[in-house]
Amino acid sequence: RKEVEQDPGPFNVPEGATVAFNCTYSNSASQSFFWYRQDCRKEPKLLMSVYSSGNEDGRFTAQLNRASQYISLLIRDSKLSDSATYLCAVTLNTDKLIFGTGTRLQVFP
Amino acid sequence: DAGITQSPRHKVTETGTPVTLRCHQTENHRYMYWYRQDPGHGLRLIHYSYGVKDTDKGEVSDGYSVSRSKTEDFLLTLESATSSQTSVYFCAIRISDSLYNSPLHFGNGTRLTVT
Repeated sequence: RKEVEQDPGPFNVPEGATVAFNCTYSNSASQSFFWYRQDCRKEPKLLMSVYSSGNEDGRFTAQLNRASQYISLLIRDSKLSDSATYLCAVTLNTDKLIFGTGTRLQVFP
Repeated sequence: DAGITQSPRHKVTETGTPVTLRCHQTENHRYMYWYRQDPGHGLRLIHYSYGVKDTDKGEVSDGYSVSRSKTEDFLLTLESATSSQTSVYFCAIRISDSLYNSPLHFGNGTRLTVT
Protein backbone atom coordinates (compact mmCIF):
# COMPACT_ATOMS: atom_id res chain seq x y z
CA ARG A 1 0.00 0.00 0.00
CA LYS A 2 1.28 3.46 -0.89
CA GLU A 3 1.94 5.81 2.00
CA VAL A 4 -0.22 8.52 0.50
CA GLU A 5 -2.93 7.84 -2.07
CA GLN A 6 -5.10 10.08 -4.20
CA ASP A 7 -7.61 9.50 -6.95
CA PRO A 8 -5.80 10.76 -10.08
CA GLY A 9 -9.02 11.97 -11.71
CA PRO A 10 -9.50 13.92 -13.85
CA PHE A 11 -12.43 15.61 -12.21
CA ASN A 12 -14.25 17.58 -14.88
CA VAL A 13 -16.66 20.10 -13.35
CA PRO A 14 -18.55 23.16 -14.62
CA GLU A 15 -17.84 26.62 -13.33
CA GLY A 16 -19.63 27.25 -10.08
CA ALA A 17 -19.66 23.63 -9.01
CA THR A 18 -18.47 22.28 -5.70
CA VAL A 19 -15.85 19.56 -5.87
CA ALA A 20 -14.11 17.52 -3.21
CA PHE A 21 -10.94 15.46 -3.20
CA ASN A 22 -9.79 12.95 -0.64
CA CYS A 23 -6.32 11.75 0.20
CA THR A 24 -5.64 8.71 2.36
CA TYR A 25 -2.45 8.09 4.32
CA SER A 26 -1.13 4.91 5.86
CA ASN A 27 0.97 6.09 8.80
CA SER A 28 -1.25 6.78 11.78
CA ALA A 29 1.60 8.72 13.43
CA SER A 30 1.62 11.39 10.71
CA GLN A 31 1.27 14.82 12.25
CA SER A 32 1.27 17.44 9.53
CA PHE A 33 -0.84 17.63 6.42
CA PHE A 34 -0.92 19.96 3.45
CA TRP A 35 -2.58 20.60 0.13
CA TYR A 36 -0.53 21.89 -2.79
CA ARG A 37 -1.59 23.12 -6.19
CA GLN A 38 0.51 22.43 -9.26
CA ASP A 39 -0.04 23.97 -12.66
CA CYS A 40 1.23 22.25 -15.78
CA ARG A 41 5.04 22.37 -16.02
CA LYS A 42 5.31 24.45 -12.86
CA GLU A 43 6.45 23.81 -9.33
CA PRO A 44 3.99 22.78 -6.60
CA LYS A 45 2.75 25.69 -4.54
CA LEU A 46 1.32 25.49 -1.07
CA LEU A 47 -2.44 25.91 -1.11
CA MET A 48 -3.14 25.38 2.57
CA SER A 49 -2.17 23.47 5.66
CA VAL A 50 -4.72 21.10 7.16
CA TYR A 51 -5.46 21.53 10.84
CA SER A 52 -7.08 19.02 13.15
CA SER A 53 -10.22 21.10 13.56
CA GLY A 54 -10.53 21.79 9.86
CA ASN A 55 -9.83 25.12 8.24
CA GLU A 56 -11.13 27.36 5.52
CA ASP A 57 -9.49 29.84 3.18
CA GLY A 58 -12.02 31.59 1.01
CA ARG A 59 -13.60 29.01 -1.28
CA PHE A 60 -11.30 26.24 -0.04
CA THR A 61 -11.97 24.04 2.98
CA ALA A 62 -9.59 21.41 4.28
CA GLN A 63 -10.44 18.71 6.79
CA LEU A 64 -8.62 15.97 8.60
CA ASN A 65 -10.14 12.67 9.68
CA ARG A 66 -7.59 10.92 11.86
CA ALA A 67 -9.81 7.94 12.64
CA SER A 68 -10.13 7.04 8.97
CA GLN A 69 -6.71 8.46 8.05
CA TYR A 70 -7.67 10.81 5.29
CA ILE A 71 -7.65 14.49 4.50
CA SER A 72 -10.03 16.27 2.19
CA LEU A 73 -10.14 19.43 0.12
CA LEU A 74 -13.42 21.05 -0.81
CA ILE A 75 -13.57 23.75 -3.47
CA ARG A 76 -16.76 25.78 -3.69
CA ASP A 77 -17.89 27.92 -6.62
CA SER A 78 -15.20 26.52 -8.92
CA LYS A 79 -13.45 28.94 -11.26
CA LEU A 80 -11.74 28.23 -14.56
CA SER A 81 -8.52 29.28 -12.84
CA ASP A 82 -8.88 26.42 -10.34
CA SER A 83 -7.95 23.96 -13.11
CA ALA A 84 -4.73 22.34 -11.91
CA THR A 85 -3.41 19.26 -10.18
CA TYR A 86 -3.91 19.12 -6.42
CA LEU A 87 -1.32 17.28 -4.38
CA CYS A 88 -1.72 16.20 -0.81
CA ALA A 89 1.34 15.89 1.40
CA VAL A 90 1.84 14.15 4.72
CA THR A 91 4.81 14.12 7.06
CA LEU A 92 6.58 10.86 7.66
CA ASN A 93 9.04 10.71 10.54
CA THR A 94 8.58 14.46 11.03
CA ASP A 95 11.31 15.72 8.69
CA LYS A 96 10.15 14.03 5.51
CA LEU A 97 7.17 15.15 3.49
CA ILE A 98 5.54 12.48 1.33
CA PHE A 99 3.30 13.45 -1.55
CA GLY A 100 0.40 11.82 -3.25
CA THR A 101 0.46 11.51 -7.01
CA GLY A 102 -2.09 14.28 -7.39
CA THR A 103 -5.68 14.75 -8.51
CA ARG A 104 -6.28 16.62 -11.72
CA LEU A 105 -9.14 19.12 -11.79
CA GLN A 106 -10.51 20.58 -15.00
CA VAL A 107 -13.13 23.31 -14.68
CA PHE A 108 -15.07 24.01 -17.87
CA PRO A 109 -17.25 27.00 -18.82
CA ASP B 1 9.02 33.97 -3.20
CA ALA B 2 11.07 31.67 -0.98
CA GLY B 3 14.37 32.71 -2.59
CA ILE B 4 15.18 29.36 -4.21
CA THR B 5 17.09 29.14 -7.46
CA GLN B 6 17.69 25.91 -9.32
CA SER B 7 20.28 25.55 -12.06
CA PRO B 8 20.34 24.59 -14.78
CA ARG B 9 16.64 24.87 -15.71
CA HIS B 10 17.02 22.41 -18.55
CA LYS B 11 19.73 19.89 -19.36
CA VAL B 12 20.20 17.15 -21.91
CA THR B 13 22.99 14.72 -21.26
CA GLU B 14 24.16 11.33 -22.44
CA THR B 15 23.97 8.06 -20.60
CA GLY B 16 27.01 7.47 -18.43
CA THR B 17 27.96 11.11 -17.94
CA PRO B 18 28.03 12.77 -14.54
CA VAL B 19 25.51 15.53 -13.88
CA THR B 20 25.25 18.00 -11.01
CA LEU B 21 22.16 20.03 -10.26
CA ARG B 22 22.37 23.01 -7.98
CA CYS B 23 19.87 24.44 -5.54
CA HIS B 24 20.64 27.82 -4.05
CA GLN B 25 18.71 29.61 -1.33
CA THR B 26 19.18 33.13 -0.10
CA GLU B 27 17.68 32.92 3.39
CA ASN B 28 19.85 30.42 5.34
CA HIS B 29 17.12 27.87 5.98
CA ARG B 30 18.29 24.70 7.64
CA TYR B 31 16.28 22.06 5.75
CA MET B 32 16.64 21.46 2.01
CA TYR B 33 15.23 18.65 -0.10
CA TRP B 34 15.57 17.12 -3.56
CA TYR B 35 12.56 15.48 -5.19
CA ARG B 36 11.97 14.03 -8.62
CA GLN B 37 8.61 14.07 -10.32
CA ASP B 38 7.51 11.54 -12.90
CA PRO B 39 4.11 10.74 -14.45
CA GLY B 40 2.30 8.14 -12.39
CA HIS B 41 4.72 8.44 -9.48
CA GLY B 42 4.25 11.98 -8.33
CA LEU B 43 6.91 13.66 -6.24
CA ARG B 44 9.43 11.28 -4.70
CA LEU B 45 12.07 12.27 -2.18
CA ILE B 46 15.66 11.59 -3.25
CA HIS B 47 17.76 13.09 -0.47
CA TYR B 48 17.43 15.84 2.06
CA SER B 49 19.67 17.89 4.31
CA TYR B 50 19.12 19.16 7.83
CA GLY B 51 22.29 21.23 8.03
CA VAL B 52 25.74 21.73 6.58
CA LYS B 53 27.25 18.31 5.90
CA ASP B 54 24.12 16.65 7.37
CA THR B 55 22.17 14.68 4.79
CA ASP B 56 19.93 11.64 4.68
CA LYS B 57 18.38 9.41 2.08
CA GLY B 58 14.86 9.54 0.77
CA GLU B 59 12.83 6.83 -0.90
CA VAL B 60 14.62 6.88 -4.29
CA SER B 61 18.26 7.64 -3.43
CA ASP B 62 19.98 4.94 -5.50
CA GLY B 63 22.15 6.47 -8.22
CA TYR B 64 22.20 9.89 -6.56
CA SER B 65 24.52 11.63 -4.14
CA VAL B 66 24.24 15.03 -2.48
CA SER B 67 26.49 17.53 -0.83
CA ARG B 68 25.92 20.53 1.33
CA SER B 69 29.16 22.31 2.15
CA LYS B 70 27.47 25.61 2.94
CA THR B 71 24.00 26.53 4.10
CA GLU B 72 22.86 28.15 0.91
CA ASP B 73 23.75 25.42 -1.59
CA PHE B 74 22.49 21.85 -1.90
CA LEU B 75 23.93 19.89 -4.80
CA LEU B 76 22.46 16.76 -6.37
CA THR B 77 24.85 14.59 -8.39
CA LEU B 78 24.10 11.78 -10.76
CA GLU B 79 27.45 10.00 -10.89
CA SER B 80 26.63 8.15 -14.12
CA ALA B 81 23.34 9.24 -15.60
CA THR B 82 20.89 6.63 -16.87
CA SER B 83 17.77 7.04 -18.98
CA SER B 84 15.64 6.16 -15.95
CA GLN B 85 16.85 9.38 -14.35
CA THR B 86 15.15 11.46 -17.02
CA SER B 87 12.78 13.49 -14.88
CA VAL B 88 11.88 16.86 -13.47
CA TYR B 89 13.90 17.61 -10.35
CA PHE B 90 12.60 19.97 -7.69
CA CYS B 91 14.49 21.45 -4.82
CA ALA B 92 12.53 22.52 -1.77
CA ILE B 93 13.22 24.26 1.49
CA ARG B 94 11.49 24.25 4.85
CA ILE B 95 11.17 27.81 6.02
CA SER B 96 10.60 26.98 9.67
CA ASP B 97 12.93 24.84 11.76
CA SER B 98 9.86 23.52 13.54
CA LEU B 99 9.04 20.10 12.17
CA TYR B 100 5.38 20.41 13.04
CA ASN B 101 3.06 21.92 10.48
CA SER B 102 5.95 23.32 8.49
CA PRO B 103 5.38 23.05 4.74
CA LEU B 104 7.98 22.97 1.99
CA HIS B 105 8.46 25.62 -0.66
CA PHE B 106 9.72 24.60 -4.06
CA GLY B 107 12.10 25.93 -6.65
CA ASN B 108 11.18 26.18 -10.33
CA GLY B 109 12.55 22.76 -11.19
CA THR B 110 15.19 21.34 -13.51
CA ARG B 111 14.14 19.29 -16.53
CA LEU B 112 16.78 16.64 -17.13
CA THR B 113 16.81 14.41 -20.18
CA VAL B 114 19.26 11.53 -20.38
CA THR B 115 19.66 10.18 -23.92
